Amino acid sequence: DTEVTQTPKHLVMGMTNKKSLKCEQHMGHRAMYWYKQKAKKPPELMFVYSYEKLSINESVPSRFSPECPNSSLLNLHLHALQPEDSALYLCASSQVMGPTEAFFGQGTRLTVV
Amino acid sequence: AQSVTQLDSQVPVFEEAPVELRCNYSSSVSVYLFWYVQYPNQGLQLLLKYLSGSTLVKGINGFEAEFNKSQTSFHLRKPSVHISDTAEYFCAVSPNDYKLSFGAGTTVTVRA
Repeated sequence: DTEVTQTPKHLVMGMTNKKSLKCEQHMGHRAMYWYKQKAKKPPELMFVYSYEKLSINESVPSRFSPECPNSSLLNLHLHALQPEDSALYLCASSQVMGPTEAFFGQGTRLTVV
Repeated sequence: AQSVTQLDSQVPVFEEAPVELRCNYSSSVSVYLFWYVQYPNQGLQLLLKYLSGSTLVKGINGFEAEFNKSQTSFHLRKPSVHISDTAEYFCAVSPNDYKLSFGAGTTVTVRA
């Protein structure tokens, strides 16, 4: 199993809503990542978890709150988002945090209205 | 610090013709190099990677890339493209830490 599974695939939320994005992998990877991708742009790193601990926060606004309940799961909790937060949110995993290949999920297309 | 430059933002190509996507990087340290493909409304899929060893790297779907240290390049090639190769292609570098730095991307459009 070399898949990273993200749910939901699409999400529309209002600016006062609270929602969560979910990511799951069963490859035994110990590093997991959240990326944000705007249209026609490369992915931008948001967070890195290594061995279920938050290792890197790329100065992401607090309205985005990551969580890693166990080694297979990664969540991104969303609250009070802005329309400019609309984007494709990609989850990825790798064996460990470092210069190794990352496996990406299909992404969640988020629209904030 | 490292950066990645993809020299072509758009590459139109006819079916069964060859294609080359150019990628240059700048880094003061050794790097690992990757090419990813993103089909419309999909995530990123790894095409190939260079970590060490032979400078000619073969990947999936008939793609290959050549690492050239003196020219700091990692160009991607395919001898004969298909309509299904229409996608966005990202070159990425990773120095000896956690972060993948992506190029701006090259849109490949294959026409019949």
